[in-house]
Amino acid sequence: KNQVEQSPQSLIILEGKNCTLQCNYTVSPFSNLRWYKQDTGRGPVSLTIMTFSENTKSNGRYTATLDADTKQSSLHITASQLSDSASYICVVSALAAGNKLTFGGGTRVLVKP
Amino acid sequence: DADVTQTPRNRITKTGKRIMLECSQTKGHDRMYWYRQDPGLGLRLIYYSFDVKDINKGEISDGYSVSRQAQAKFSLSLESAIPNQTALYFCATSARADTQYFGPGTRLTVL
Repeated sequence: KNQVEQSPQSLIILEGKNCTLQCNYTVSPFSNLRWYKQDTGRGPVSLTIMTFSENTKSNGRYTATLDADTKQSSLHITASQLSDSASYICVVSALAAGNKLTFGGGTRVLVKP
Repeated sequence: DADVTQTPRNRITKTGKRIMLECSQTKGHDRMYWYRQDPGLGLRLIYYSFDVKDINKGEISDGYSVSRQAQAKFSLSLESAIPNQTALYFCATSARADTQYFGPGTRLTVL
């Protein structure tokens, strides 16, 4: 069964600090991995997408890494801002009819001043 | 205006009632999806449609039905709502296997 596990479930960081979120997956055959940001009361918004051959992808202060061998990904937030408070969801796509997506449960990040 | 809109944004209903959630998009995408989100769980796919004549069940379709009225419209129905269908419902669209764009969600409470 395809699964995506994220850790931690939640974390609190001080404004200006860095943090790293983890994602482990068992989706096969692998197509791509996306990180989404979901603000409270809103739908998820795509931050990054990585295919099998990509090790790292950045979007501003967000940097995602992918190790396809160990089936792990991380999302690093640099110099956090209050607006980074949100849930971050790891989503893995399988090479199958319709490129089915498997969603992780998300990591809820709270940035405090 | 938002590219993907959902109505209503919030709904409280009683067990046994029929409910319809509507989704409209202006992105011109062929593919549309309905998901539900429960606290601590990942989004789960209810139904998806690759074009007006194509409807497919997702992993949790029992108790739900859908209608693709046009390329831009995809509605989700709960024929007889039950309390464990209380959740946040999201509509999404995509161009083929590209990134999915989500609506703002509908918070449904079934008493």
